[in-house]
Amino acid sequence: NAGVTQTPKFQVLKTGQSMTLQCAQDMNHEYMSWYRQDPGMGLRLIHYSVGAGITDQGEVPNGYNVSRSTTEDFPLRLLSAAPSQTSVYFCASRARSPNTEAFFGQGTRLTVV
Amino acid sequence: AQSVTQLDSQVPVFEEAPVELRCNYSSSVSVYLFWYVQYPNQGLQLLLKYLSGSTLVKGINGFEAEFNKSQTSFHLRKPSVHISDTAEYFCAVSDNQGGSEKLVFGKGTKLTVNP
Repeated sequence: NAGVTQTPKFQVLKTGQSMTLQCAQDMNHEYMSWYRQDPGMGLRLIHYSVGAGITDQGEVPNGYNVSRSTTEDFPLRLLSAAPSQTSVYFCASRARSPNTEAFFGQGTRLTVV
Repeated sequence: AQSVTQLDSQVPVFEEAPVELRCNYSSSVSVYLFWYVQYPNQGLQLLLKYLSGSTLVKGINGFEAEFNKSQTSFHLRKPSVHISDTAEYFCAVSDNQGGSEKLVFGKGTKLTVNP
């Protein structure tokens, strides 16, 4: 019962470095999304995907790229990290229906120095 | 587009006291409503959800919520809290419109239960 798996759990980057946050789910969910969580801001949607090959921007997409080559995986790429991207990142998946719950990974705590 | 307002950012209570965490939503169509809980350093997990039918829904750990369409509210309640209920609670909404895959969250309410 793996559910949604995110790696790594913690990461420290220098300004300007790039990295990929990994997200995988084993529930055959069509819909996957990335959120960032900042104090007092709740969860803000970065990017989402409704199936393999289909992605779209959420509320705060700048500085992030995504792709969805398989149903299971939805990686989030930071091309040139900035201190403003210091945050906790959560990946979530759900079946493609508005009345279903989302399942979340354990989060990645990213610090950009 | 839907939106969610959680009216209290922090709620301190004493153990065994009742608690209500308030949530109001905005949407022009029928909605589905969720409450999630986040324990320290963990991801979010579902507490309960309202899809249709009875306006009073029961969730895990003794929590319940009441859907009020006229007041566009979905407040979370527990009659007697425990120390272990200390966590952050998020209200979320999705609807039947295009883009309904999106789950929109409120900013969260930090519940602190003191002995």
